[in-house]
Amino acid sequence: KNQVEQSPQSLIILEGKNCTLQCNYTVSPFSNLRWYKQDTGRGPVSLTIMTFSENTKSNGRYTATLDADTKQSSLHITASQLSDSASYICVVLRMDSSYKLIFGSGTRLLVRP
Amino acid sequence: EAGVTQSPTHLIKTRGQQVTLRCSPISGHTSVYWYQQALGLGLQFLLWYDEGEERNRGNFPPRFSGRQFPNYSSELNVNALELEDSALYLCASSLGIAGTEQFFGPGTRLTVL
Repeated sequence: KNQVEQSPQSLIILEGKNCTLQCNYTVSPFSNLRWYKQDTGRGPVSLTIMTFSENTKSNGRYTATLDADTKQSSLHITASQLSDSASYICVVLRMDSSYKLIFGSGTRLLVRP
Repeated sequence: EAGVTQSPTHLIKTRGQQVTLRCSPISGHTSVYWYQQALGLGLQFLLWYDEGEERNRGNFPPRFSGRQFPNYSSELNVNALELEDSALYLCASSLGIAGTEQFFGPGTRLTVL
């Protein structure tokens, strides 16, 4: 069954601390994996897109990793800021005749001063 | 360069009514996607249009429909509104089919009373 599961469901950290969000998927055939940041009531904004052959990709203080063998990805946020408070969504593209994006339910991150 | 735009930003309807939501993609993008995000839940794929044709459809009843115009803008129509249709409706666009990055609009918040 094609699924994307994220953990934790929610997370509270102090400003300046690091954190890591997890994404496990069972999507096949796999094409790419995306991390999005979604502020409350707004549209998601892309952070990274990783293909099968990419292990790590960074976007400022955000670093995504991908292990295609274990079908796991993580998003590491360094030196968190209050503006990092948002939902982080892991999305996997299943590339077959249907071309379907499979969305995780997201991790809600709250950064406190 | 302008991003994906959606209108209206907010909408209040009563049960049984019909609603039309509009989306203008980024200039040069030919694919438009529609998603539903109920409060506190993940994104659910609704429809995908490319070059004026419906390419894929999510698990939604036929009262959810849409179209894409020659200028690649799109409409989402929902007939016979139900209370559970209350959600944020997000539109995204991409350069082409298959694997390219999607850029999301700010969404339309629909409330059904």
